[in-house]
Amino acid sequence: DQQVKQNSPSLSVQEGRISILNCDYTNSMFDYFLWYKKYPAEGPTFLISISSIKDKNEDGRFTVFLNKSAKHLSLHIVPSQPGDSAVYFCAASAWAGKSTFGDGTTLTVKP
Amino acid sequence: DTAVSQTPKYLVTQMGNDKSIKCEQNLGHDTMYWYKQDSKKFLKIMFSYNNKELIINETVPNRFSPKSPDKAHLNLHINSLELGDSAVYFCASSQGQGGVSSPLHFGNGTRLTVT
Repeated sequence: DQQVKQNSPSLSVQEGRISILNCDYTNSMFDYFLWYKKYPAEGPTFLISISSIKDKNEDGRFTVFLNKSAKHLSLHIVPSQPGDSAVYFCAASAWAGKSTFGDGTTLTVKP
Repeated sequence: DTAVSQTPKYLVTQMGNDKSIKCEQNLGHDTMYWYKQDSKKFLKIMFSYNNKELIINETVPNRFSPKSPDKAHLNLHINSLELGDSAVYFCASSQGQGGVSSPLHFGNGTRLTVT
């Protein structure tokens, strides 16, 4: 039972354009959502989060949108840079509970 | 300064052996975790400790035994290793129990290969 899904295994965008990574979840108890970025041979690093009381959170070039009715969240990166090339994981948790991860989307930003 | 460090980075061993992976965090966090990333790239939680107390124990074979001597350390011992145990194991920590404003801080992983 995969409660958090990232349906696009990979995404390729041109430098300077917008990258949009998507994530769907099934568990309505989830109330905290996070995005992590992972480079090869390193652990995931926290990027941005959003709680269920909000529908948008912005941090520099990164914005996360949450649509609770659709059980969908997305990460927008604009403008995309070659250094953004990595695997992006979305994760979800219920209050004080474990984080459940999606299976990742590999983003490639071409110069 | 490495926030979450785990050793070794690579571990190659034969079936049936017993091995340990060590993890230490210097962030002062209360909670530590072990995650397993399998060949399909899923990150699945195995265990979670809060202040040395086990709080999450997913469906993991009892050949896997975590040990937390103090809240800065969480080690993973694996008995009678099997081929299916081959994976990358990530240690992580968080302030609190991973709720609001408590993202996970991961180590760089231990790639375990069982032959």
